[in-house]
Amino acid sequence: EVQLVESGGGLVQPGRSLRLSCTASGFTFGDYAMSWVRQAPGKGLEWVNFIRSKVYGGTTEYAASVKGRFSISRDDSKSIAYLQMNSLKTEDTAVYYCTRLGPGSVFQHWGQGTLVTVSS
Amino acid sequence: QSALTQPPSASGSPGQSVTISCTGTSSDVGGYNYVSWYQQYPGKAPKLMIYEVSKRPSGVPDRFSGSKSGYTASLTVSGLQAEDEADYYCSSYAGSNSVVFGGGTKLTVL
Repeated sequence: EVQLVESGGGLVQPGRSLRLSCTASGFTFGDYAMSWVRQAPGKGLEWVNFIRSKVYGGTTEYAASVKGRFSISRDDSKSIAYLQMNSLKTEDTAVYYCTRLGPGSVFQHWGQGTLVTVSS
Repeated sequence: QSALTQPPSASGSPGQSVTISCTGTSSDVGGYNYVSWYQQYPGKAPKLMIYEVSKRPSGVPDRFSGSKSGYTASLTVSGLQAEDEADYYCSSYAGSNSVVFGGGTKLTVL
């Protein structure tokens, strides 16, 4: 069974940094692209970024709203994907979901999400 | 990219069929057959229901079907059941290695 478990969320002040982790199990982590999707309170879903598998260079792509501030990485030996969030803004407040990405930009499996609150 | 356009709400009685639309542009929905649909219950993570416009993952009831015409994709739920009451989101590959979601539709089973 595919499982994705996010951790690292919490309350952080504007301008500070936070790192989220996504621990995967139930599949060969290194074979898949991984992605983060967020959902502000009471709002819809927003794609954040993704990282390709090493076979495809492990390259990354970002939504314009987070480009230059957020960074996604992966450790295939530990089956963990990371989301480094810098220069956080109040509008980054959201539940952040880790997802396994399939061909055609399909978010195949989702974690339970972790809440990030950016507030002074 | 702008979000895909979905109606805020939809409703139907048990046993009826309901269709939710998702309208984009030539840069996303109209340009690729990479439209997906997700079901989300309150306080829960989304779940993939349809991918590549009309394909269903294993375990998703065949009451759920997807289609696309031009710039508009659609999700149809046939034989509505109480458990289908949820929020539904569409997404599409939008070129330049990006993805865009719709604003979501709240489906109510009357």
